[in-house]
Amino acid sequence: GAGVSQSPSNKVTEKGKDVELRCDPISGHTALYWYRQRLGQGLEFLIYFQGNSAPDKSGLPSDRFSAERTGESVSTLTIQRTQQEDSAVYLCASSAQGAAGQYFGPGTRLTVL
Amino acid sequence: AQSVTQLGSHVSVSEGALVLLRCNYSSSVPPYLFWYVQYPNQGLQLLLKYTTGATLVKGINGFEAEFKKSETSFHLTKPSAHMSDAAEYFCAVIMGGYQKVTFGTGTKLQVIP
Repeated sequence: GAGVSQSPSNKVTEKGKDVELRCDPISGHTALYWYRQRLGQGLEFLIYFQGNSAPDKSGLPSDRFSAERTGESVSTLTIQRTQQEDSAVYLCASSAQGAAGQYFGPGTRLTVL
Repeated sequence: AQSVTQLGSHVSVSEGALVLLRCNYSSSVPPYLFWYVQYPNQGLQLLLKYTTGATLVKGINGFEAEFKKSETSFHLTKPSAHMSDAAEYFCAVIMGGYQKVTFGTGTKLQVIP
């Protein structure tokens, strides 16, 4: 596709349920990033994938959060047993190389009731 | 290690006035530096970047930034603010040769008519 796409655009769930967020990066981009943006706040790094290397998971806030990426394509971010503090916009970005800058998707707005 | 500091979470300028958004970084190796813009209810968009070469870089919508190694700064400027510039601006850094991006906390720009 022409840009990074994310689905769903909005997700409302009940506390304790699991959710799965999807990111389709730009074709050919080897790097993929997940960020969390709480209302009125900056970007919080979650996880970074680079090619076939082990992902950098240093930003994941708890073991309820996990992410996978298939090769250099789709990535899914899974949040288990969601809590109200997980409510945020989850942004995905991809990059061909660090110097090129990142291309962001429109985000998934997650609301945990 | 790398980090980014954006001075001022909110900046207000009059329409037609100079825009100056401050960004200071720390990096143990030569950095790549970026400014991103996030318009209300939209995703992040790359505004401009510095990798190597000319230290004054120009971006979209009349913005520019200057890399000053001696001051470890990468401030964003625009000679004359327009109402459409109202948005949140994020500074980001990558250490050269690596791809993990560190974002600043963002500066919200308000343009007063």
